[in-house]
Amino acid sequence: QQPVQSPQAVILREGEDAVINCSSSKALYSVHWYRQKHGEAPVFLMILLKGGEQKGHDKISASFNEKKQQSSLYLTASQLSYSGTYFCGTEIQGNKLVFGAGTILRVKS
Amino acid sequence: DGGITQSPKYLFRKEGQNVTLSCEQNLNHDAMYWYRQDPGQGLRLIYYSQIVNDFQKGDIAEGYSVSREKKESFPLTVTSAQKNPTAFYLCASSQDPGELFFGEGSRLTVL
Repeated sequence: QQPVQSPQAVILREGEDAVINCSSSKALYSVHWYRQKHGEAPVFLMILLKGGEQKGHDKISASFNEKKQQSSLYLTASQLSYSGTYFCGTEIQGNKLVFGAGTILRVKS
Repeated sequence: DGGITQSPKYLFRKEGQNVTLSCEQNLNHDAMYWYRQDPGQGLRLIYYSQIVNDFQKGDIAEGYSVSREKKESFPLTVTSAQKNPTAFYLCASSQDPGELFFGEGSRLTVL
């Protein structure tokens, strides 16, 4: 039931782009994306509620392909502050949000 | 300020002892959750509650218990039946459908 995230880890230089994928074996109601810094609580990035929806703010955006049960997070022109662990959370039914194992992103100067 | 308060932040327990982690929210959210996080791993759902006096088991409920007597409170008890309780515990709340607001977490260590 846990969504599968890929890659497990990625290292970027400032200004480079990255894509993090999240896939589920079950039909999804919604997909959430969060970022967690070491030793801190996860922070909400965005939620996608409809199939084919794409959202974004600043240089971080995401897409949700309901038919493929997949979501992707796009980080453009990465900054040092983007470093952290990114989690997708998938809602299969009734407010139960299940998270993937996370993708560690490290941005180097 | 609205938010979620977890306490204590750090807790040490001897084997065989039950401990209770507190979670209080003043966001007026209906849904509350408890997640467990182990080093280098994702968040695993322990219990969740969508309404007062009702809660459901998550994926790893064995060895844990909860109560939801008030809308703003969702305490988690780690019982002696939990064989490997050392972990980082996160409480969250949400208003359906919406983002999860997390507390700062409680780090439990079994001595």
